[in-house]
Amino acid sequence: QKEVEQNSGPLSVPEGAIASLNCTYSDRGSQSFFWYRQYSGKSPELIMFIYSNGDKEDGRFTAQLNKASQYVSLLIRDSQPSDSATYLCAVNNAGNNRKLIWGLGTSLGVNP
Amino acid sequence: SAVISQKPSRDICQRGTSLTIQCQVDSQVTMMFWYRQQPGQSLTLIATANQGSEATYESGFVIDKFPISRPNLTFSTLTVSNMSPEDSSIYLCSVGPPFAETDTQYFGPGTRLTVL
Repeated sequence: QKEVEQNSGPLSVPEGAIASLNCTYSDRGSQSFFWYRQYSGKSPELIMFIYSNGDKEDGRFTAQLNKASQYVSLLIRDSQPSDSATYLCAVNNAGNNRKLIWGLGTSLGVNP
Repeated sequence: SAVISQKPSRDICQRGTSLTIQCQVDSQVTMMFWYRQQPGQSLTLIATANQGSEATYESGFVIDKFPISRPNLTFSTLTVSNMSPEDSSIYLCSVGPPFAETDTQYFGPGTRLTVL
């Protein structure tokens, strides 16, 4: 059974701090890794994707990938109350035609 | 990314009835997926909607309960048949990016279904 694991949280950080969200995956063949943000009552929206080992930065967000350790993380710098949401990690299902394997999500709260 | 709409946005239905949810995309896409998300849970893939052929269902989901149509590259429907309160959930369609062969998925706004 291919799995993606995330700490369900809730993770609470003060405004302006760095929030660190972590994800591990079981399928060594996975090549594509995604972070989605989901506000309560809304559908998931794509924040970032990463394909290569190392860091990828986009504004306040940095995705980090370590394929050897089967680990992907998302850092949110200068956290804002508007970042309070559930963050879903998704990993492609290698060899299975575009399907994604989803983690259960980490709930993040940013306190003013 | 594509613009995706779903209808209805929400509905309250009686047990034993059926509801058809529509998903419309503003550009042609190869991949369309249907998910269910129960309260406080993550996403569960129901099926992949294949244009011009039968949908591919995940374990635990069957065509008789969740028939899917995909008549063209911009439109799909999911029917929830013979509903019970356990079918109360948010139903989401997602699509791959137009004209690109990647695993990225973009989601519609969802349909919130309550079965009484």
